[in-house]
Amino acid sequence: DAGITQSPRYKITETGRQVTLMCHQTWSHSYMFWYRQDLGHGLRLIYYSAAADITDKGEVPDGYVVSRSKTENFPLTLESATRSQTSVYFCASSQTNQSPPQHFGDGTRLSIL
Amino acid sequence: SQKIEQNSEALNIQEGKTATLTCNYTNYSPAYLQWYRQDPGRGPVFLLLIRENEKEKRKERLKVTFDTTLKQSLFHITASQPADSATYLCALVGNTGKLIFGQGTTLQVKP
Repeated sequence: DAGITQSPRYKITETGRQVTLMCHQTWSHSYMFWYRQDLGHGLRLIYYSAAADITDKGEVPDGYVVSRSKTENFPLTLESATRSQTSVYFCASSQTNQSPPQHFGDGTRLSIL
Repeated sequence: SQKIEQNSEALNIQEGKTATLTCNYTNYSPAYLQWYRQDPGRGPVFLLLIRENEKEKRKERLKVTFDTTLKQSLFHITASQPADSATYLCALVGNTGKLIFGQGTTLQVKP
């Protein structure tokens, strides 16, 4: 079925390690997004991409890197993980612009020890 | 500063009753507002969008209102069922052009 697939679903790593979260969508949507969801903060935008090779920062981009060489993939990399980056990460996509509606994956739960 | 506020306390209601969830915002002038449902361990799922020139929008047992004067949206689920138990998020486009989410309200419908 078409949709957004995130991998891995769960990840435990150590402080200072590099970790990459994968996101793949089969709709050929132009826009893709990365959010983190923490208690007390709701969903916060990390980075987004309007098309292949076009990315821009969101509300909380520090410590993260993204790339988008292909329309369907939008990986998120934590270059040197910190405990404050322990969170649930959601990838989303939308067809025409940043807004309605966005389609979400089921998230990656990342724990950094 | 810009804020979206949803009641952080869980809403507990009896099956068959109408659930009403509130989304308040300040310092925004959104062209539209969206509601999403999120189940534990899953990503948010889009439910409804209402535009600033629409007072009310309905979809099956769901109804959303949008009062730009009060800066408030109400989300109603009529004839609620235990399967409606979830967290409901409101979202709007902020001044930066990005979608901003509220923290969500958890609804528990008891049989």
